[in-house]
Order: sequence, then C-alpha cells, then structure tokens
Amino acid sequence: ETGVTQTPRHLVMGMTNKKSLKCEQHLGHNAMYWYKQSAKKPLELMFVYNFKEQTENNSVPSRFSPECPNSSHLFLHLHTLQPEDSALYLCASSQAGGSQPQHFGDGTRLSIL
Amino acid sequence: EDQVTQSPEALRLQEGESSSLNCSYTVSGLRGLFWYRQDPGKGPEFLFTLYSAGEEKEKERLKATLTKKESFLHITAPKPEDSATYLCAVNDNAGNMLTFGGGTRLMVKP
Repeated sequence: ETGVTQTPRHLVMGMTNKKSLKCEQHLGHNAMYWYKQSAKKPLELMFVYNFKEQTENNSVPSRFSPECPNSSHLFLHLHTLQPEDSALYLCASSQAGGSQPQHFGDGTRLSIL
Repeated sequence: EDQVTQSPEALRLQEGESSSLNCSYTVSGLRGLFWYRQDPGKGPEFLFTLYSAGEEKEKERLKATLTKKESFLHITAPKPEDSATYLCAVNDNAGNMLTFGGGTRLMVKP
C-alpha cells in the first residue's frame, strides 16, 4: 500500500462508547497530524507528532486522546464524545519541518448518536 | 495569529471558461503556501507549494502564483473533472502547523 491509510472509513457511536481511529503512512515521513473537518468550517489542526513526540495540542478536549507508537502509525482514542464531535477526522503525514507538504488520508466520517 | 481567507466561497463556470481563485493571507514569516484539491468523501490532495513572492507553479490546467499578501489559483479552460473544493494553507516560521482557509467550491458545467 502507498500513501496514508485511515480506518475505519465510517464510524457511528453512542456518546458513552469508546472507539479508536487508526492511521498508517507508507511515505517514510516522520511527522503525523490529526485534523477535524466540520461542515462550513476550515480544517482544524488537533494534534502534531514529530518523531513520535507530541509537539502540538491545539486546545483539544481530553475526550480525544492521541497515540503515536512509531513514526508510521497514529491513533485517536475516543471516549464520551458529544454530538458536536460528529465530523470528518483526517490524518496527514509529512517530513518534519514546515516547508514540506502534508499528505492526507481519506478520513474517518464519525457520527455521534 | 496566522489567517487565511479564500474567495469566492463557491464558483460556477462553464466548461472552457477560465477564472481565478483567491487566497489572502496574514502570516508572521511565510515558510510555505500550499494548495490542495478535495473531492467529496476524500482527503485533500496536494497540488502545489509556493515559497516566495513571484514564484509560479503549473500543473495541467492549473497555475498558482504568489505575492506577499495573496495567492491565486488560475484555472485555464476548465473541464467538469476539475470540479472540487480547492483549499489554501500557510505555514509560518513557528513550526510545521498549517492554517487553512475555508476553501472555494468549484463547479464546472459541461
């Protein structure tokens, strides 16, 4: 496989459930990102990992918990979510350093009941 | 704080009708400006990076230009398959975070 792969593509969960989103990149990059994309709003950066270390947490509620076990894998653990958390969650990767483009997966469409 | 504003929000063109999309930005030390294309149900697809004022990049019917305050994405003789949302983003000297604009939804009618 090439590029950035996200699973699952769609997820429906209740507010009391716990689930995890997975992202894997096959580009040899050393930085990975989680973004939230809601209707009518710009892409919002959630978390940044450089060389497996979290370097940015953009004021994200604690009900979202990221994990980066190595430079190729990124997880987003979800628990006790709210209806306003329904959105498209996108993972991206790049070479560390801001001048390099980020490459995105196709996202997980999350719906909170 | 970095800011990116894209206009128009939506643009309808006839096939072959050339036009331009605008991305205005405010950033403390531009490290790079990025253009992406996003199709429904897909993630953003990288198109171009521009690094300094005066720089231009081309790919098929698309041409991106950059000044100190804005970038344009020129679309020459568009086809229906060019229909998508086009996103602009900037990175500053503070790190590798991107700030995105709200996007321009382009619709090209045959």
